[in-house]
Amino acid sequence: DIQMTQSPSSLSASVGDRVTITCRASQRISSFLNWYQQKPGRAPKLLIYAASNLQTGVPSRFSGSGSGTDFTLAISGLQPDDFATYYCQQTYHGTSTFGQGTKVEIK
Amino acid sequence: QVHLVESGGGVVQPGRSLRLSCAASGFIFSNHGLHWVRQTPGKGLERVAFISADARETRYADSVKGRFTISRDNSRNTVSLHMGSLRVEDTAVYFCARESIVGTAYYFDHWGQGTLVTVSS
Repeated sequence: DIQMTQSPSSLSASVGDRVTITCRASQRISSFLNWYQQKPGRAPKLLIYAASNLQTGVPSRFSGSGSGTDFTLAISGLQPDDFATYYCQQTYHGTSTFGQGTKVEIK
Repeated sequence: QVHLVESGGGVVQPGRSLRLSCAASGFIFSNHGLHWVRQTPGKGLERVAFISADARETRYADSVKGRFTISRDNSRNTVSLHMGSLRVEDTAVYFCARESIVGTAYYFDHWGQGTLVTVSS
């Protein structure tokens, strides 16, 4: 199985900060990498698909980059609504595994 | 507007069975693959089952293979997950999720609200 490792597992940031979250795959997965945001008691919400494509309706302050094994989710100008847990997901050749999550908290 | 609504969760004893359903609306159901994803505080998110748009292909996580069966009814816009031989470690919130594809990449662009399954004696 392909393992996905996110870092950090949690971070504290202030409104307006730029935040980056990293996801590393245990083997090369091309650009088959998605990012989700989840708030307590809610389902995950798709933010980025295929490593760098912004899902319709998602604010442009979210961006994704990377390919192969190393990927990054960036949030430019953190907003109060962005405090949540973020997950990466690989979907290489029909498989699917999620990272363990990164919780973004208010400093 | 896409909607996915899960039902069927509850408390069940180890070794028993349970059937989850997911009712879909707001899109052409027969055009999309569907997944069941579960979430626990300890193990995070895990895709447990997938069924293709035409139901010809299914995939299962190793943790549920041989115990869970996914199916769909394209005439009723529903997808189901039959969970047999349930274990305590199957306790989780179960989500159904719609798959969309761009090129060869797929992603889960819509999710249901989830249904809680608790396996306990």
